[in-house]
Amino acid sequence: EVQLLESGGGLVQPGGSLRLSCAASGFTFSSYAMSWVRQAPGKGLEWVSAITYSGGTTSYADSVKGRFTISRDNSKNTLYLQMNSLRAEDTAVYYCAKDRSKGDTAGWYPRFDPWGQGTLVTVSS
Amino acid sequence: EIVLTQSPGTLSLSPGERATLSCRASQSVSSSFLAWYQQKPGQAPRLLIYGASTRATGIPDRFSGSGSGTDFTLTISRLEPEDFAVYYCQQYGSSPATFGQGTKLEIK
Repeated sequence: EVQLLESGGGLVQPGGSLRLSCAASGFTFSSYAMSWVRQAPGKGLEWVSAITYSGGTTSYADSVKGRFTISRDNSKNTLYLQMNSLRAEDTAVYYCAKDRSKGDTAGWYPRFDPWGQGTLVTVSS
Repeated sequence: EIVLTQSPGTLSLSPGERATLSCRASQSVSSSFLAWYQQKPGQAPRLLIYGASTRATGIPDRFSGSGSGTDFTLTISRLEPEDFAVYYCQQYGSSPATFGQGTKLEIK
């Protein structure tokens, strides 16, 4: 069974940093692209970032570009999201999600299945 | 960026009834790369449908998806109590991947 377990969320002041982790099990982590998706309290879903199976290619939503960095350690079956220069509008539950493929083909864009349980990030003074 | 507009915002129905949820795209979704997710309170979303009409593993056959181009529909043929939730569509045919704002399916 595929399992994704996020950690690292918490309360941080505006301008601060936080690193999220997502520990994966139940599948060959190094063979799949992965993504982060967030959901502000009471709001809808927003794709944040994606990374191909090898980590060679990354992509970001405009809202986080230049502030967030996605990475992965295939030896540890773990996905990361480094979040810098945090703003109040970054407050959300952050989910990691597995993709259907390596993500290295032309015209690939992420689809999400399954998702982790999420970790809450609150940016407030 | 493709904007997805879901309607209605809230749908009030009774168990046993048929539910029809709509997702309209601001431009054509490439290769029908359209997915539907179900989210219950306090839970992560779950994939129901991908490729506009293919049920994900373990999804009951009362859930069906249809459509192409800019107009897509999720149909639940006979509502069960556990189906009352929020449903999101998502396109993955162009960058960036985007979601609709959601339809809340509530018990009447």
